[in-house]
Amino acid sequence: GQQLNQSPQSMFIQEGEDVSMNCTSSSIFNTWLWYKQEPGEGPVLLIALYKAGELTSNGRLTAQFGITRKDSFLNISASIPSDVGIYFCAGQGVTGGGNKLTFGTGTQLKVEL
Amino acid sequence: DAGVIQSPRHEVTEMGQEVTLRCKPISGHDYLFWYRQTMMRGLELLIYFNNNVPIDDSGMPEDRFSAKMPNASFSTLKIQPSEPRDSAVYFCASRRASYNEQFFGPGTRLTVL
Repeated sequence: GQQLNQSPQSMFIQEGEDVSMNCTSSSIFNTWLWYKQEPGEGPVLLIALYKAGELTSNGRLTAQFGITRKDSFLNISASIPSDVGIYFCAGQGVTGGGNKLTFGTGTQLKVEL
Repeated sequence: DAGVIQSPRHEVTEMGQEVTLRCKPISGHDYLFWYRQTMMRGLELLIYFNNNVPIDDSGMPEDRFSAKMPNASFSTLKIQPSEPRDSAVYFCASRRASYNEQFFGPGTRLTVL
C-alpha cells in the first residue's frame, strides 16, 4: 500500500538538541496525525492536526499542518533519552470514505547521552 | 479509561494451524481497524468496521484471513491456515465517529514456524 515520504529515516542526536522531521504526500489530506512507537508497543498518538497552517504543541513537541495540505512537520525541543523511538506521521484524506490513514515510513530517533 | 486491549500479546504457532487474535476497542468508539506491521511493508490496514459492520476489507491479503465484530466491544482476526509469511505484529485501533484520531492497542506479535 501507499506510504508517505518521511524524513529523515533515522537521527542520532545529542541529549538537549532540537529535532525536526517532516512528512510529504502527493495527495491532499484533511487530517495529519503524529505517533510515537517504542519497541514492543503500539503507536501512541502525540498530536492531531485538522486545519491547514495549524500549529499545535504537546509539551516539548510541536507539529504543523502544511499550508499546501500535502505535508506536515514535527519538532521536538531539548531532546531527552526517553524521546527514543520511531515517529510516524499519518494522513487522512477523502479516499476510502475518509476513514483510512496513510502512514509515513517512520523516523527512528536515537538520543546520545 | 482503558485503552484498546489486545490478546494474546505473543503467539507462536506452526504452519497450517488456525490463529485467532482478539481486540476490545475503547468504549464508545464507533470504528475499529485491524493493521499488520512488518519491516518491509510498514503499517498496512487490513480491514475496518463501523458500528460492527465491515466497511472495507480490501487490505485483507487472502481468503485465509477473516475478521468479525459480533458486538461493539469485541473483534477477532482469524488466520486459517497460517503460513510463515503471516509472521508480523498485528494491531487493533479504534476511534470515535466524529474524530479522525485512531488509538492503537499494544499489538499481537505472531510467529508462524
